[in-house]
Amino acid sequence: GAVVSQHPSRVICKSGTSVKIECRSLDFQATTMFWYRQFPKQSLMLMATSNEGSKATYEQGVEKDKFLINHASLTLSTLTVTSAHPEDSSFYICSARESVSSYNEQFFGPGTRLTVL
Amino acid sequence: AQSVTQLDSHVSVSEGTPVLLRCNYSSSYSPSLFWYVQHPNKGLQLLLKYTSAATLVKGINGFEAEFKKSETSFHLTKPSAHMSDAAEYFCVVSARQAGTALIFGKGTTLSVSS
Repeated sequence: GAVVSQHPSRVICKSGTSVKIECRSLDFQATTMFWYRQFPKQSLMLMATSNEGSKATYEQGVEKDKFLINHASLTLSTLTVTSAHPEDSSFYICSARESVSSYNEQFFGPGTRLTVL
Repeated sequence: AQSVTQLDSHVSVSEGTPVLLRCNYSSSYSPSLFWYVQHPNKGLQLLLKYTSAATLVKGINGFEAEFKKSETSFHLTKPSAHMSDAAEYFCVVSARQAGTALIFGKGTTLSVSS
């Protein structure tokens, strides 16, 4: 089946630093990748949709200058949390949609736990 | 517009008894519906999906769900719960005509006692 990986799985950083999270589709090409944020014991909130080779589309209320998304290839998207603050601590999950498959099915990565001290 | 409502935030069952997790949806289009499971600090695993084929959908680990258009429901069931089924379950709706967004329910925590 389609596999999506994320790296790192867990990261702890100091306030003010930037953190990059990678999302890779391992065995398929993903024209579209999605980034979600999940607060403890809550549902997933879509942050942005990224299409390979173009700018990401951010959901309302998500700061695009704070959460930089790059989708440089059909197998890799990165989320960079710039100048992280404790309130950015969360579980970040990416998903990817195959370029040739069920139109709406997304395959999810295992998530990245970000803790900002 | 699309939305999904998971009617129970927490369900507790005993091992070996049936599981029922309820989900109602709203969609202006023909929806695709999914159930995902999430174990603590893990990503999401697809249990099953409905995409306009058979209304009774069988998934992994003995789970199944029935799409009932008249009731706008997509409840998840399992005949006999295992301890390993304890997790968070999300009902998700999507529609091709509405774009690519997945709309997540708030989740149902399933607890299984021995």
